[in-house]
Amino acid sequence: DQQVKQNSPSLSVQEGRISILNCDYTNSMFDYFLWYKKYPAEGPTFLISISSIKDKNEDGRFTVFLNKSAKHLSLHIVPSQPGDSAVYFCAASASNTGNQFYFGTGTSLTVIP
Amino acid sequence: DAGVTQSPTHLIKTRGQHVTLRCSPISGHKSVSWYQQVLGQGPQFIFQYYEKEERGRGNFPDRFSARQFPNYSSELNVNALLLGDSALYLCASSIVGTRFWRSPLHFGNGTRLTVT
Repeated sequence: DQQVKQNSPSLSVQEGRISILNCDYTNSMFDYFLWYKKYPAEGPTFLISISSIKDKNEDGRFTVFLNKSAKHLSLHIVPSQPGDSAVYFCAASASNTGNQFYFGTGTSLTVIP
Repeated sequence: DAGVTQSPTHLIKTRGQHVTLRCSPISGHKSVSWYQQVLGQGPQFIFQYYEKEERGRGNFPDRFSARQFPNYSSELNVNALLLGDSALYLCASSIVGTRFWRSPLHFGNGTRLTVT
């Protein structure tokens, strides 16, 4: 049972434009969310987090938005750069399971120069 | 500062064998978690250890076991290997503790296990 879903396997964006990666979840107990970037042959790299007490968190070019009523979060990358080309995973956890995270299946982002 | 280190990077085993994977967390991190990533999927939670105690276990058979040592490093053991155990095994550390029970995971580069 996939509790965290990333329905877009891939996304292509022109350099300098905005990249929007989406993530949906089904478990209403999830209250802490993470985004990761993964290059081939490397482990996932943490990008940004958000807790359910917020609806937006920003860090440089990366902004995460959380819509709790829709059980949806999104990662915005502005402006997109070729080095952003990677697979992006969202992950979620619930307070009653501590630091155990459920991951989506990932979205492969390609930024075209 | 050194990140999470895992060894070995690659491993080939045959069905029925046993494997031990090792992980050293980021200095100061007392929690270590193990995840399995099968091709085309996201990482799936196997175990979390904090202060040498198991704090969570995912939906994996008893063939999977782990432990954490006094220096906070960890081992993941898998017995009676099956073809389906072929995957990337990721170790992650975090600063969870009495003040921060929720914090981002910092991953190593993983061990690629192939079972033939």
